[in-house]
Order: sequence, then C-alpha cells, then structure tokens
Amino acid sequence: EDQVTQSPEALRLQEGESSSLNCSYTVSGLRGLFWYRQDPGKGPEFLFTLYSAGEEKEKERLKATLTKKESFLHITAPKPEDSATYLCAVQTYISNQFYFGTGTSLTVIP
Amino acid sequence: NAGVTQTPKFQVLKTGQSMTLQCAQDMNHNSMYWYRQDPGMGLRLIYYSASEGTTDKGEVPNGYNVSRLNKREFSLRLESAAPSQTSVYFCASSEFSQETQYFGPGTRLLVL
Repeated sequence: EDQVTQSPEALRLQEGESSSLNCSYTVSGLRGLFWYRQDPGKGPEFLFTLYSAGEEKEKERLKATLTKKESFLHITAPKPEDSATYLCAVQTYISNQFYFGTGTSLTVIP
Repeated sequence: NAGVTQTPKFQVLKTGQSMTLQCAQDMNHNSMYWYRQDPGMGLRLIYYSASEGTTDKGEVPNGYNVSRLNKREFSLRLESAAPSQTSVYFCASSEFSQETQYFGPGTRLLVL
C-alpha cells in the first residue's frame, strides 16, 4: 500500500534556529514528490517539485532534497513568517492521484 | 488572474440537505480535482477530472457527485449531507493530470 509519512507532527523553533522536516514514502514507481505550504484557513500553496533522487530545489530559506526513500525540507535561519503547516505529496506513474502526508506544523518563535 | 476560486467560503447544512460546491479556474488548466481535509487525515481525493468531459473517482467518492461543466468549472454535489461530511473541501487544478496542482482557498462545511 502506498504511504506517505511526515515527521515530526509539530516543530517549534526559535527565530534563526535551522532545522529539517522529513517526508518518507513507500510507493511503487515514484513520478514526483511535491512540497506545499498551508497557512491556517487557506489552501495549500505550491513550493517545490522533485523528480529524481539527488535532486535539490531552493527558495529563499527553504531547500528541498530527495532520496529514494524520503525527502527533507531544510529551513535555514527561519523567521516567524515561515510558521505554517508543510505538506508533502507523492505521485506515482501508475496513478494520476496525489497521496498527501498529514503535514508538519511549524511554529517559529521571535 | 485569480487562480482557483471556490464558493461558498463557509456553509452550514442540516443532515439530509443537499448542496453544490462551486470551483472555477482561470489558468486554462485541463485537469481539476476535489479534495477533503480532515484533522489527522491529510488531504484525500474525492473525484477528479483529467480533462473536459471526463470524471473519475478518487479515494473517498461515496456520498458525492461531480460535474465538469466546462474547461473552467468543476462542481461537487452532496445529495444528502451527513455529519461525516463535515470537513474542509479544496478544489485544485493542473495543466495536465500529472502536473503540479494549484489549490483554491477552500470551503468549510458543517453538517449538523
């Protein structure tokens, strides 16, 4: 059965304290892995797509990486405005569907 | 360019009532999706439309119907609402069925 697991469920960081969020997956034939940011009361906002092991993408303080079993979202020197829930989703070659994890709720304290 | 829009933003229904959630996109995307989001469950696909004129069931289709009205619009209908359908509903679209999905702001539905 295809599964996507995110950890930790919640993370509290001091402003400037770098850390990483994890998304591990067990799917048959990964086509792509997607990271989204979701603010309270809003829809998910697209961040990155990763297609192959070893691939990396960066945007401001965020950097996403991909291995054959997991993806990491690294947050460097976070600011309070980075507080949000971060979702990952995987897509397989077999299905058109996205399979989402339950997210990591990040709080950055000033 | 509004992206994906959804109406209404919030709705309260009584058990057994029906309603239609509306979704429209102005990005000329071919594929559209309906998800529900529940605490601790993550986003789950209800129905999707890979292209105009086609619809397919997702992971949790029971109790719902959809209509792809045209390329821009994709509606979700609850024929007889149940408390288990209390959730936040998101519509999404993508240029093609295996491309990045872009989400609307959501509809919060409470069924009493």
